[in-house]
Parts: sequence; C-alpha cells; structure tokens
Amino acid sequence: AQTVTQSQPEMSVQEAETVTLSCTYDTSENNYYLFWYKQPPSRQMILVIRQEAYKQQNATENRFSVNFQKAAKSFSLKISDSQLGDTAMYFCAFMPPQETSGSRLTFGEGTQLTVNP
Amino acid sequence: NAGVTQTPKFQVLKTGQSMTLQCAQDMNHEYMSWYRQDPGMGLRLIHYSVGAGITDQGEVPNGYNVSRSTTEDFPLRLLSAAPSQTSVYFCASSRGLGNYGYTFGSGTRLTVV
Repeated sequence: AQTVTQSQPEMSVQEAETVTLSCTYDTSENNYYLFWYKQPPSRQMILVIRQEAYKQQNATENRFSVNFQKAAKSFSLKISDSQLGDTAMYFCAFMPPQETSGSRLTFGEGTQLTVNP
Repeated sequence: NAGVTQTPKFQVLKTGQSMTLQCAQDMNHEYMSWYRQDPGMGLRLIHYSVGAGITDQGEVPNGYNVSRSTTEDFPLRLLSAAPSQTSVYFCASSRGLGNYGYTFGSGTRLTVV
C-alpha cells in the first residue's frame, strides 16, 4: 500500500515571501500521479497542482510550483509571493496507475499554512 | 455545471440511528469516492466506485455501505451511527484518468451523539 507523509503539521510565512511545503511518499509503482490540494476555512478541496511521474519537468501553475524528485520519492510545493488568501490546509496526494488501483487517492496528513500580513 | 453536490451540509445523529449522505455529479465521471476527514489524519478512503454497478472498499469501510445504480449518484449509508463516525465526509468524482485528479463536493459535517 502507498503511504504519503507530510512532516510539517504547521507552517507560517510573511506576505510576499516564499514558502516550501514538504511531502514524501512510498510506492513500488513506476508510473503514478501526484497532487497538491488546498483546503481553505470554507472546507472546499481545491486542486492546486498536479504532476505525472513519467514527466521529468516540474509542474508550475502561476505562483505555485513543485520540486519532484522521483528517486527520493519527494514532492514539495513552493508558493511564491505568498498572499493572505493562501492561508489554508494543504494536502499532498498520491494516485497509482488506473489499472492497479481504480484511481484511488491516498492523502498525507496535511500542513496548515498561515500567511501573516 | 454544478460539479459534485453533497447533501446535507450538516447533520446530527443519535447513536444507533441510520442515515444516507447523498452525492451527485453532473460531469459524467466514471470514478466516484467517499472520504472521511479527521483532525491530523488527512482524508481516508471509505468506499469507491469505478462505474455504475461496481463498488469496492477503501481503507476504512466498516459501518458504511454504498451502491452505484447510476453514473451520477453515489450515496453513502451509515447503518448504525456511532460516535467514532463523527467526521467530515467528502464525496469526489473523476474521469478516471490520473492526470485530471478528483473534483470534490463541499463536504458534510456529521456529529454522532
């Protein structure tokens, strides 16, 4: 079974600064998908960014980018120019290939990020 | 498009009562899942479905039943509510292709007293 670990339960950052959230995972699969989800106080789960394991290039979405290290099984999220609206719980999630899992998502425990003015 | 719709948003049950959490999606997604979220534990998979008529157990299935008679609907049934089932429940759907991820409903906060 796959596991996902987020070792930082809480983090804080000043507005406009950069912060990196860590995520590691364990799997024997070669092809898989990784995601970061954001959960603001509204409780809604919002997809922030996705990465396919077979792509070496790190995914980017505006101020959000990842550092994907396949050999180390590491998938960190970098948020640049942090904004107050980035305050949320962030979850790292792993999805094995469709044919082996039914596309089941496994989540980490989450990191609560607070952006301070 | 409404996306994934969950009802109710809040519910209080007495121990031993049964109820059904509703989930519907209008995106013609084949894959649907139910998760529960507890503090410090992330989201854990209860049951999932890869298409109408096909369901399977996730990580924490005990005390819950599901069925998938249509592509659109995936209700979660609590058979005999227990305080340990106090949680926030999320329904999610996906095309089933990994790079699209899942779309989540807004959640149901359930309290069992």
